[in-house]
Amino acid sequence: DTEVTQTPKHLVMGMTNKKSLKCEQHMGHRAMYWYKQKAKKPPELMFVYSYEKLSINESVPSRFSPECPNSSLLNLHLHALQPEDSALYLCASSRSGLAGGTDTQYFGPGTRLTVL
Amino acid sequence: AQKVTQAQTEISVVEKEDVTLDCVYETRDTTYYLFWYKQPPSGELVFLIRRNSFDEQNEISGRYSWNFQKSTSSFNFTITASQVVDSAVYFCALTPTRGSTLGRLYFGRGTQLTVWP
Repeated sequence: DTEVTQTPKHLVMGMTNKKSLKCEQHMGHRAMYWYKQKAKKPPELMFVYSYEKLSINESVPSRFSPECPNSSLLNLHLHALQPEDSALYLCASSRSGLAGGTDTQYFGPGTRLTVL
Repeated sequence: AQKVTQAQTEISVVEKEDVTLDCVYETRDTTYYLFWYKQPPSGELVFLIRRNSFDEQNEISGRYSWNFQKSTSSFNFTITASQVVDSAVYFCALTPTRGSTLGRLYFGRGTQLTVWP
């Protein structure tokens, strides 16, 4: 079973709203990732958690705040977003922590975010 | 520096045709992994294959086959007897095995494959 789940599937929010994206995996994977994908572009890495610790932050604006409450769950808290932040947000997980960073990343179905 | 090039932006074929998606990569690392992912309109990236740079054997999985040639830094993907359900964006990606870039997937820009009935 290589399932990563993400909620919600779609999200529309205003620029003053606060919302959260949720990602869950029950494969015992120790690395979890957030990606942002704009239309007709490849995914862009935002954050990597390895063993529940933030290991990589790709200079993402502070209006995006990741959280890893436990090894199965990854959240992305959104606040004061801009319309250009509208995109598909993908979560992924891989078996090992970053020391095994060549493991296959398994992706969730994504959350389509629209910022008005 | 890591770079993956998928020169074909869009490909259209008719059902049952064979189609090859090209992937060329650049890396200074001697060891690395290569991947192919499929992204249907629903949005989820579906893992297809992972290949170690030491393993140059070609691989076949049903209608899918992959041709890895280290000498030309290419990792091409062929779909035999294409079907409408193969319509998707296909991404080739590379990850190094060490250094500060460990854990990062370097994606190509993707190839949009459309299979017409």
